[in-house]
Amino acid sequence: KNQVEQSPQSLIILEGKNCTLQCNYTVSPFSNLRWYKQDTGRGPVSLTIMTFSENTKSNGRYTATLDADTKQSSLHITASQLSDSASYICVVRAAGNKLTFGGGTRVLVKP
Amino acid sequence: NAGVTQTPKFQVLKTGQSMTLQCAQDMNHEYMSWYRQDPGMGLRLIHYSVGAGITDQGEVPNGYNVSRSTTEDFPLRLLSAAPSQTSVYFCASSRTGGGFTDTQYFGPGTRLTVL
Repeated sequence: KNQVEQSPQSLIILEGKNCTLQCNYTVSPFSNLRWYKQDTGRGPVSLTIMTFSENTKSNGRYTATLDADTKQSSLHITASQLSDSASYICVVRAAGNKLTFGGGTRVLVKP
Repeated sequence: NAGVTQTPKFQVLKTGQSMTLQCAQDMNHEYMSWYRQDPGMGLRLIHYSVGAGITDQGEVPNGYNVSRSTTEDFPLRLLSAAPSQTSVYFCASSRTGGGFTDTQYFGPGTRLTVL
């Protein structure tokens, strides 16, 4: 069964600090992996997409990595800001276009 | 572009009542879908549509109906609401359902409570 597991479930960080979120998946055959940011009371918004051949991709202060061999991805947030407080969702697309969503990591940035 | 819009934003129903959640997009996207989001769980696909007149079931379709008479609109109907349908519902659209790098755009969600 295709699964996407995210850790931690939640974390609290101080403004200006860095943090890393993890995503492990068992989706096969793999097509791509996307990270979404979901602000409270809003729908998810795409941050970045990783395909099989990509190891690292950045979007401003967000950097995603992908290790397709170990089926792991991470999202690193650099110099966190209060506006980074949100849930971050990892979504893996299988060949054939079926999407599997992770349960998300809730990040709270405190001043 | 308004993107994906959903109405209502909040709704409270009694068990057994029916209602329709509205979803519209103005990006001329072919693919539209409905998800539900429950605490601690990933988004789960209820129904989807690859174009006007074509709909199909997702992972958790029971208790819900959809139709797609136009490209823009994709309403979700709850036939007889049950407390287990208490959730936040998101509508999403993408250019096609087949492009493997297609970005899904999500609406703001409808928070539904069934008493």
